[in-house]
Amino acid sequence: AQSVTQLGSHVSVSEGALVLLRCNYSSSVPPYLFWYVQYPNQGLQLLLKYTSAATLVKGINGFEAEFKKSETSFHLTKPSAHMSDAAEYFCAVRDYGGATNKLIFGTGTLLAVQP
Amino acid sequence: DSGVTQTPKHLITATGQRVTLRCSPRSGDLSVYWYQQSLDQGLQFLIQYYNGEERAKGNILERFSAQQFPDLHSELNLSSLELGDSALYFCASSVEGSITGELFFGEGSRLTVL
Repeated sequence: AQSVTQLGSHVSVSEGALVLLRCNYSSSVPPYLFWYVQYPNQGLQLLLKYTSAATLVKGINGFEAEFKKSETSFHLTKPSAHMSDAAEYFCAVRDYGGATNKLIFGTGTLLAVQP
Repeated sequence: DSGVTQTPKHLITATGQRVTLRCSPRSGDLSVYWYQQSLDQGLQFLIQYYNGEERAKGNILERFSAQQFPDLHSELNLSSLELGDSALYFCASSVEGSITGELFFGEGSRLTVL
């Protein structure tokens, strides 16, 4: 069975500082991993996805994530935080191999950006 | 705009009542997924339909049911509502057959049970 664990339910950074949101996965099959962002009162929007083509994945809004098999991790980073990055971020892994291809989500990390 | 449309956006009702949430997937997407988001449970998968057929069931209560119609829109029916059913209900759609493809989410239906 596949699962993801997000370490840190709340992360606070200063504007201009590095953003690091942690995600570890557990999967019995090659994982397909996703990061989504949820702004207040909105739905989930895809930031980026890992599909085994490249271990370093670049997404929208300057975010990127690196797939590390040895560490079973897929951490999300952004070199310089902006106020507009304040949102909740979800890591997800695809559940496939049977009849479904749903996504299984982590518990989310709420990112606060301080001026 | 993801292309997934959910109605209503907000719904307030009383315990014991029944409500129906509606979802229209992106044009061409055959799969529809329902998720429940609450503060204590996070994002929980409820159910998936593909081209009218149920594909997978998650943590969906027996009081809840769903269906997907021939025009591919889907409805989630919640009955005998309890206070704990208050949550944000998301619908998502995807291109079937792609394990690398993402899910596209609607903006959700916020249900408040009083």
